[in-house]
Amino acid sequence: NAGVMQNPRHLVRRRGQEARLRCSPVKGHSHVYWYRQLPEEGLKFMVYLQKENIIDESGMPKERFSAEFPKEGPSILRIQQVVRGDSAAYFCASSLDRGPLSFFGQGTRLTVV
Amino acid sequence: QKEVEQDPGPLSVPEGAIVSLNCTYSNSAFQYFMWYRQYSRKGPELLMYTYSSGNKEDGRFTAQVDKSSKYISLFIRDSQPSDSATYLCAMSEGAGSYQLTFGKGTKLSVIP
Repeated sequence: NAGVMQNPRHLVRRRGQEARLRCSPVKGHSHVYWYRQLPEEGLKFMVYLQKENIIDESGMPKERFSAEFPKEGPSILRIQQVVRGDSAAYFCASSLDRGPLSFFGQGTRLTVV
Repeated sequence: QKEVEQDPGPLSVPEGAIVSLNCTYSNSAFQYFMWYRQYSRKGPELLMYTYSSGNKEDGRFTAQVDKSSKYISLFIRDSQPSDSATYLCAMSEGAGSYQLTFGKGTKLSVIP
């Protein structure tokens, strides 16, 4: 069984570009969570999605960030017009039911130059 | 004051030593406590999951929670070089809570 798969592993974007981060959950898992780890900080919750629904986006910045989990395909975290402060590691987790979160992906490390 | 405080280390110990990792927290509503292990450039993996106060043992790992002191610990006995990683504490208010509050992590090196 494959675990949570994230791609790309590393992403470099210039300021003002868009970043798209993908997360394929563990097979059969319908709950997906995105967390962000800023340099020298702990992981922070961003958004919780189920198939085709955003359940809780209380941790998402209000502007430029969006997430989706379509019926088919991976979950996407989209960051528009990236700024240097968006540079971080973005982790995705999945679960069969709600919590605890056992399965995190390897993360996407976004660098904004 | 941050919700969860964790000494970032680094912590370096010889192989076979007993390792003690700790976190303090301020939110008395936290009921569920977790320890994750994160190898370099990898995602966190859940090591221990405990509810409320008390001890939980799993092989060489023991998790302790003292809610009266708002203090949690992870002990690793007979530490191995393969234990070298960053250890993250995390906590939540509810069992099904997906909004975990993480510490910054403690980087541990076990020297052969």
